[in-house]
Amino acid sequence: DAEITQSPRHKITETGRQVTLACHQTWNHNNMFWYRQDLGHGLRLIHYSYGVQDTNKGEVSDGYSVSRSNTEDLPLTLESAASSQTSVYFCASSDGTSREQYFGPGTRLTVT
Amino acid sequence: GENVEQHPSTLSVQEGDSAVIKCTYSDSASNYFPWYKQELGKRPQLIIDIRSNVGEKKDQRIAVTLNKTAKHFSLHITETQPEDSAVYFCAASKVQGAQKLVFGQGTRLTINP
Repeated sequence: DAEITQSPRHKITETGRQVTLACHQTWNHNNMFWYRQDLGHGLRLIHYSYGVQDTNKGEVSDGYSVSRSNTEDLPLTLESAASSQTSVYFCASSDGTSREQYFGPGTRLTVT
Repeated sequence: GENVEQHPSTLSVQEGDSAVIKCTYSDSASNYFPWYKQELGKRPQLIIDIRSNVGEKKDQRIAVTLNKTAKHFSLHITETQPEDSAVYFCAASKVQGAQKLVFGQGTRLTINP
């Protein structure tokens, strides 16, 4: 069955380290999104992509970057992790026709 | 840019009663309004959505209403059951572009037996 996966599911890192969170989908969806979820803020968009080689900033993109080299993957990189980036990160994808976004299981990141 | 406000932040109802969650949006160009349900420790999942050419949509015990003039939309859950306990998020987006969603802050719904 087609699915969307994230790895790792849990990560503890130190301030200043570079961290990459993986997102992989097998639906062949063109659109992919990264959100962070914090209590009281709902889901906030970090970056998104229309397709291969396309990336766009969301509302909370500072300190994050993404790259889209193929349809299936959109890795999220924290260039220099900060304590303020402790959060739960969700990846999502959509086909652009039905509008529904399918979410991955999430990655809980703790920056100490 | 778009801003979505959601109320209330927490809601507690007796099993069998109805629950209503309300959202307002700022961008009149928004025309797609989905609702996502997130159970504890799980991922958000779409439960119902509505497009701007429709005023109301129902799916069994859940319904969504949209008032484009007032720029607000609501989720209605009737005959609530314990499995309805979750966090619910509303969102808004436009047709153009990558269809990025702007989410409300979420409502924690608790169904009391």
